[in-house]
Amino acid sequence: KNEVEQSPQNLTAQEGEFITINCSYSVGISALHWLQQHPGGGIVSLFMLSSGKKKHGRLIATINIQEKHSSLHITASHPRDSAVYICAVRSGTYKYIFGTGTRLKVLA
Amino acid sequence: DVKVTQSSRYLVKRTGEKVFLECVQDMDHENMFWYRQDPGLGLRLIYFSYDVKMKEKGDIPEGYSVSREKKERFSLILESASTNQTSMYLCASSLARYYEQYFGPGTRLTVT
Repeated sequence: KNEVEQSPQNLTAQEGEFITINCSYSVGISALHWLQQHPGGGIVSLFMLSSGKKKHGRLIATINIQEKHSSLHITASHPRDSAVYICAVRSGTYKYIFGTGTRLKVLA
Repeated sequence: DVKVTQSSRYLVKRTGEKVFLECVQDMDHENMFWYRQDPGLGLRLIYFSYDVKMKEKGDIPEGYSVSREKKERFSLILESASTNQTSMYLCASSLARYYEQYFGPGTRLTVT
């Protein structure tokens, strides 16, 4: 079993829909990172959080340390949100463990 | 803004060739990382460096070596490329321990 699990693996939504991507982990962590990867490969950092909730534009990330779970929400989704979303947990000084990603496609 | 650049976006090499992948960051970050990304496996750490001339093995160092002679540059070396090293290679850097990582655009390497 992977130490970081994401669900769903693939998600197709209509423009305007509210989207939730989930991340569960089984190790002790000091922080959790949500990343976005567009076709072509480049990875962009969306959020780093260790407790509570963060919001940036239409994106909201939450984390529940006791339940070892985080969610990434996208409100009013748009085709430009189509990408792979990756959850990564920092479990040591340097070590990150990455989920395999959720591939999101938003249709116009 | 932090900028992490990689020497090539796409690279095609033959089996047995020596391959150099270069990564440069422009924000005086202490730490630099090399990952490979394969479908269904996520990113896996090959090597990282926490200071000039210092390096640590990651989860999958076999078949790779690294060099960090200057703070801003971290090189990944495939001594004798093999087809199972065909992958997307991503470099990242972070200011210091416990800081978030910033990624380069990736190099898609094909070994034939």
